[in-house]
Amino acid sequence: TQLLEQSPQFLSIQEGENLTVYCNSSSVFSSLQWYRQEPGEGPVLLVTVVTGGEVKKLKRLTFQFGDARKDSSLHITAAQTGDTGLYLCAAPFGNEKLTFGTGTRLTIIP
Amino acid sequence: ETGVTQTPRHLVMGMTNKKSLKCEQHLGHNAMYWYKQSAKKPLELMFVYNFKEQTENNSVPSRFSPECPNSSHLFLHLHTLQPEDSALYLCASTNNGGKNGYTFGSGTRLTVV
Repeated sequence: TQLLEQSPQFLSIQEGENLTVYCNSSSVFSSLQWYRQEPGEGPVLLVTVVTGGEVKKLKRLTFQFGDARKDSSLHITAAQTGDTGLYLCAAPFGNEKLTFGTGTRLTIIP
Repeated sequence: ETGVTQTPRHLVMGMTNKKSLKCEQHLGHNAMYWYKQSAKKPLELMFVYNFKEQTENNSVPSRFSPECPNSSHLFLHLHTLQPEDSALYLCASTNNGGKNGYTFGSGTRLTVV
């Protein structure tokens, strides 16, 4: 059973478009993290959200934590080729170990 | 450079070989982790070390053997691996139970032939 489901699995869009990717679970989290992983590198932390309903912005990226703390979304405005990568959500399950989602592989086409 | 250094970056080994992966961090973190990343699969936690003590072994086959000589260094010793063990092996470290996120190394791309 996958604890964190991400959708879509793959997404290809043109540069300049907007997009939203999702992270869902049936469990309630104390916090949730988003990472981006570029080819040949490890994941890099983008943001941590803690409070239900919380919204955090990182330049063109907007992260939202669901009110019930079971889901999260990442919205990118005016996507750029540098946004290409694998986007992973992660949350602590049991003894604070991070469990990672299935990932969304995003490709921005110039 | 993220602060977590993994070597080698690439490794090709035969099924009868013995090799070791190395991870080093000087971030002052007290927990270190090995993850396996295979194509089309989520990141799989393999081992957890807190203050040099192994606190988690996630049902990993004995052909993978971790070693943590101090809180800055972590090794993964490999022997008699199978082709299905080919993957990206990622090391991560953190403090405070991971609430502030994990810092990952760039990984070792392992190919077993």
